[in-house]
Amino acid sequence: QQPVQSPQAVILREGEDAVINCSSSKALYSVHWYRQKHGEAPVFLMILLKGGEQKGHDKISASFNEKKQQSSLYLTASQLSYSGTYFCGTEIRSNNDMRFGAGTRLTVKP
Amino acid sequence: EAQVTQNPRYLITVTGKKLTVTCSQNMNHEYMSWYRQDPGLGLRQIYYSMNVEVTDKGDVPEGYKVSRKEKRNFPLILESPSPNQTSLYFCASSLLGQSLNEQFFGPGTRLTVL
Repeated sequence: QQPVQSPQAVILREGEDAVINCSSSKALYSVHWYRQKHGEAPVFLMILLKGGEQKGHDKISASFNEKKQQSSLYLTASQLSYSGTYFCGTEIRSNNDMRFGAGTRLTVKP
Repeated sequence: EAQVTQNPRYLITVTGKKLTVTCSQNMNHEYMSWYRQDPGLGLRQIYYSMNVEVTDKGDVPEGYKVSRKEKRNFPLILESPSPNQTSLYFCASSLLGQSLNEQFFGPGTRLTVL
């Protein structure tokens, strides 16, 4: 029931773009994205509810494809501060318990 | 300041010695949850609670107990810790709405069981 994230790790130069994918074997009610910097707690980025909506703030956005049971996180013109591990979390029913993926480690170099 | 607090932050103990990790939130959140984080495995849910006196098992509940007697507190109890419970533990809380809302995580508790 744990969602699958890909890639496991990615290294970028400042200014480059990245896409992180999150897929599930079950139909999803919502997808949540979090970022965790080394030695810190995860921090919320955004939630997407079923319906194929897309959300974003600043240069980070995400889409949710209900039919494909997957979500993608888009990081545009990456900055050094984007480095960290990104987790997607999924609910299969409203107000159901959360399942997180294993994470994608993103490293942005100058 | 709105926050989730956990105590202790670091704990080294021995096999079989009962311990409790406390979690408290001051945001009046209905939902609280415990996760453990291990390298390469991400965050795995141990138990969660949607309200006082309502708790449910997550993915990895074996060897753990929880209670929710008050809305703000959600302690994690290890009755007889074993070395495979050595991990980084996070407590989180959230408002409940149409879906789970933003989860606020505590600072984490690093537990080592010898």
